[in-house]
Parts: sequence; C-alpha cells; structure tokens
Amino acid sequence: GIQVEQSPPDLILQEGANSTLRCNFSDSVNNLQWFHQNPWGQLINLFYIPSGTKQNGRLSATTVATERYSLLYISSSQTTDSGVYFCAVIPGRGSTLGRLYFGRGTQLTVWP
Amino acid sequence: DAGVIQSPRHEVTEMGQEVTLRCKPISGHDYLFWYRQTMMRGLELLIYFNNNVPIDDSGMPEDRFSAKMPNASFSTLKIQPSEPRDSAVYFCASSSGLAIHEQYFGPGTRLTVT
Repeated sequence: GIQVEQSPPDLILQEGANSTLRCNFSDSVNNLQWFHQNPWGQLINLFYIPSGTKQNGRLSATTVATERYSLLYISSSQTTDSGVYFCAVIPGRGSTLGRLYFGRGTQLTVWP
Repeated sequence: DAGVIQSPRHEVTEMGQEVTLRCKPISGHDYLFWYRQTMMRGLELLIYFNNNVPIDDSGMPEDRFSAKMPNASFSTLKIQPSEPRDSAVYFCASSSGLAIHEQYFGPGTRLTVT
C-alpha cells in the first residue's frame, strides 16, 4: 500500500515560534487531510488539501501533488497547539479507495 | 451539526467478555468508517460502509470482530470474545463522498481489556 512518512517525529518549540511539518507520500492521492490530535485524544480536521494552498488563521498548508509532499505551517505557536499532527491520504488508485492511510504523526510540544 | 457521536467514551472489560461500540454518523453522510489507534500500529482502518453496505473489511483483525450498519444513522463494532491486545482507541468517521470529500472523526472510544 501507499507509504506516508511524516517529519520530524518530535518537535519542541517555545511559544511564539514558527514551524513546518512535512508529509511525504509514495503514490498519487485523491485526498489528503491534516489532523490535530489534542491531548484528550480527539482528532480535529485542520485541512482537506489534495493540492494547492490553504490558510486558516495561524495555520496554513501546501500540497504539491506532482512531487508527492505536503507541508503544514504553524506560525506564532501557542501552548494549545501541542499534540500530534497527522497527515492522512487516500490513494488515487487501487482497490482500497475509501481507506485513509495515516502517517505516524509529529508530536508537537509548545512551552510557554 | 452534532458531529459524529460515539458511545461509550470509555470501556473497561475483562478478557472474554463481549464489547459493543456504537456510532452515529453525521446526518446525510453516506460513508462510515471504523478505525483503530494503537501505539504499535498507529491509526488503521478496520472496515467501511457505503449506504449501509460493508465495502472493505480487510482491516478487521480476525473473526472476533464484526461490524454492522442496520440503518443510515447507526453502526456497531462488536468484539467477542475480547482480548487484552484489543485495547486501543476506536474511532468512527463519516463522509459524504468517497475519496473526494473529507472524513470527520468522532471522539473515539477508549477500550481497555484486562
């Protein structure tokens, strides 16, 4: 199946710092989503972004589908940004068209 | 919109007992997904339904697991008999279309089997 690799695995920041999280995938995709799993375990949709660029407040994301990667930018980080950020994709071909394949996530810790 | 609803939020049971997890998808969504999250394997799909029909159950670990969707607003995931290795967080998600549209996740059920 498709491989989804996220980097870095861990990231520790001071409040106010900016960061970039990366997601590489091994094949074409129909769907790419970024999620934030908060300390209570809930998966929160951040972006649906199979291609192009989107922004939502301090967060933005860019997917370059032809080069098979996506980036999540967090600016002016806050302690509430802490948690695990997941990238998940649905392959563009194959028999499991409904299956989201998740990366292992980036554990972000923001200190005050 | 109430979002995807799951119950119970936490379940502690003894090995050998039957466990039933419940999910109510977002109204109007025609796809429903069951995922499991463990430290070892991360997040993985167990099964998904389209219009109440199971489409892909290749992720269901073994015969002890079964899932049903009797109508568009309700699904169950049953484990019988449960084992300690089934301990995980089980998520239900729904979407309004396949591959193109976003999947929205419920809050999850944390299952502990002792």
